[in-house]
Amino acid sequence: SQTIHQWPATLVQPVGSPLSLECTVEGTSNPNLYWYRQAAGRGLQLLFYSVGIGQISSEVPQNLSASRPQDRQFILSSKKLLLSDSGFYLCAWEPGTGYRNEQFFGPGTRLTVL
Amino acid sequence: AQSVTQLGSHVSVSEGALVLLRCNYSSSVPPYLFWYVQYPNQGLQLLLKYTSAATLVKGINGFEAEFKKSETSFHLTKPSAHMSDAAEYFCAVSDFRNQGGKLIFGQGTELSVKP
Repeated sequence: SQTIHQWPATLVQPVGSPLSLECTVEGTSNPNLYWYRQAAGRGLQLLFYSVGIGQISSEVPQNLSASRPQDRQFILSSKKLLLSDSGFYLCAWEPGTGYRNEQFFGPGTRLTVL
Repeated sequence: AQSVTQLGSHVSVSEGALVLLRCNYSSSVPPYLFWYVQYPNQGLQLLLKYTSAATLVKGINGFEAEFKKSETSFHLTKPSAHMSDAAEYFCAVSDFRNQGGKLIFGQGTELSVKP
């Protein structure tokens, strides 16, 4: 069966520090991968998605970036965090073929920027 | 462009009462529609999905939703609420022709269940 992992589970970082969040998927190949952010009291905002290694699409211009160095690994990064980057970050995967558009979510990373 | 509107950011029901969470969508093509549930500090779990088959969709935990094209709605219902249903619920829409299946989420509805 397929599983999705995110780490760390929680993170507290000072303003201006770098960020690296990691997401990995097991049990599937060639998944589509997504990064979402959920700010307090708000819905989910799609940040990035990827349909293959090295292929990243950005939905919202900001100080975050994403990379996909391996088929089942998706990384969210920042060089300098802002207060507004605080939130709950969710990674999701979708079968590259077949059950199109059904996304499966990871447990999330709670990021607090102080 | 597609969009989703969830009416009511907070809904409170008594245990055993009907749960009705409203979702209206906007889409220029036949949509795929989803309901997800999120428990505190957890990821989202798929409750059910509509993918142009039966208009009445049954999901997990006793939830169901009906796709009504004329009303552009996909409301979520459960006949009898349980305390364990307290969570946040998200409706989402996707254009099934997208290669990268971007989901557009509503703002969410927080469901509280009173004993």
